[in-house]
Amino acid sequence: QVQLVESGGGVVQPGRSLRLSCAASGFTFSDYAMDWVRQAPGKGLEWVAFITYDGGITAYADSVKGRFTISRDNSKNTLYLHMNSLRDDDTAVYSCARDLIGTYSCDYWGQGTLVTVSS
Amino acid sequence: QSALTQPPSASGSPGQSVAISCTGTSSDVGGYNYVSWYQQYPGKAPKLMIYEVSKRPSGVPDRFSGSKSGNTASLTVSGLQAEDEADYYCSSYAGSNSWVFGGGTKVTVL
Repeated sequence: QVQLVESGGGVVQPGRSLRLSCAASGFTFSDYAMDWVRQAPGKGLEWVAFITYDGGITAYADSVKGRFTISRDNSKNTLYLHMNSLRDDDTAVYSCARDLIGTYSCDYWGQGTLVTVSS
Repeated sequence: QSALTQPPSASGSPGQSVAISCTGTSSDVGGYNYVSWYQQYPGKAPKLMIYEVSKRPSGVPDRFSGSKSGNTASLTVSGLQAEDEADYYCSSYAGSNSWVFGGGTKVTVL
């Protein structure tokens, strides 16, 4: 079965960096585009970043553009989110999600990893 | 990339229907037939309920239906059941490989 397992979250000071990982299994990872979506405590969902199946195209929400980088290693079935210059308002649960091909929607989601930005 | 507008709450009695609206602009909801709806229980991952405005993934009951008119999309849950009590989020493609979500609607089954 499809599994997405995020890791790498934790407590980090403002201005510092963090790298999140998403290990995929149960499907051919290299066939699918992927996204990162976050949810601040008690708040709604916010799309963060997108990457095509081959990593050739990426896209970012305005709120993270220039600070976050999405990447993938298809040989390791792993998706990454490199987060720089972290701010208090980046505090959230970060989840990776698989795109349902051709539909601009996400059919499988991980449980997420919590990132807390605090001094 | 402004968030889509959803009512914060909606409710209905078991067996009734509830409709949730999702209002965007011509740059997102109105410009593409790529509106999706997700159901989320507290502390759980979102579940895809509707994609491409009105299509249901395998396993989603046909009590859930989606539609769109202009810049507003809607999710209707018919024959409400206790298990339908959850948060519901709409999302829309917004061009240039970007997405935007709604603020979420908490559905209560009375």
